[in-house]
Amino acid sequence: IAGITQAPTSQILAAGRRMTLRCTQDMRHNAMYWYRQDLGLGLRLIHYSNTAGTTGKGEVPDGYSVSRANTDDFPLTLASAVPSQTSVYFCASSGEGVNTGELFFGEGSRLTVL
Amino acid sequence: KNQVEQSPQSLIILEGKNCTLQCNYTVSPFSNLRWYKQDTGRGPVSLTIMTFSENTKSNGRYTATLDADTKQSSLHITASQLSDSASYICVAGRGSTLGRLYFGRGTQLTVWP
Repeated sequence: IAGITQAPTSQILAAGRRMTLRCTQDMRHNAMYWYRQDLGLGLRLIHYSNTAGTTGKGEVPDGYSVSRANTDDFPLTLASAVPSQTSVYFCASSGEGVNTGELFFGEGSRLTVL
Repeated sequence: KNQVEQSPQSLIILEGKNCTLQCNYTVSPFSNLRWYKQDTGRGPVSLTIMTFSENTKSNGRYTATLDADTKQSSLHITASQLSDSASYICVAGRGSTLGRLYFGRGTQLTVWP
């Protein structure tokens, strides 16, 4: 049982480079989310998708973009990485809306921007 | 302002002892209260979910309580084990089905043998 798979597990990249974090779920969940977790702060929502073909902005969307071409995949792209985007990124999914049921998280992608 | 505050920030207890973690929230309109456990280097895992009408919910040695009037929740851990060492995150949901979740900063629990 895979649940949510994130890749890469960790990555170091130079500022200004483009980076895509991959997220795949096998639970056929409608809703998917991207969060970032920084030391001393709670998880913050970057972007979300309530169903395939739709996306929305979360709390901290600047510098990030997402797409939801199908139910299973929800990639997060940093068009031109900056050091402030150094963080641990978590992808999550839920069967329906975020307030309805269980929220499942991936194991995270640790990104360092130099 | 919608926010979630947790206390203490960190806690050390001896194996076999009980402990209680606190959470205060100011999310409105309030929908649900969740507790997650996050092991170091791993993603958060759900422990309990309570709607605004529930007062308590248990998951093994974990028992969460909710007082929607005072906007407080607690997570009680009974007979702690070394594997309980983790960060415990309180999360409050706002709004309807497609609303938002607000995450606390977590309480870092360390269980010593």
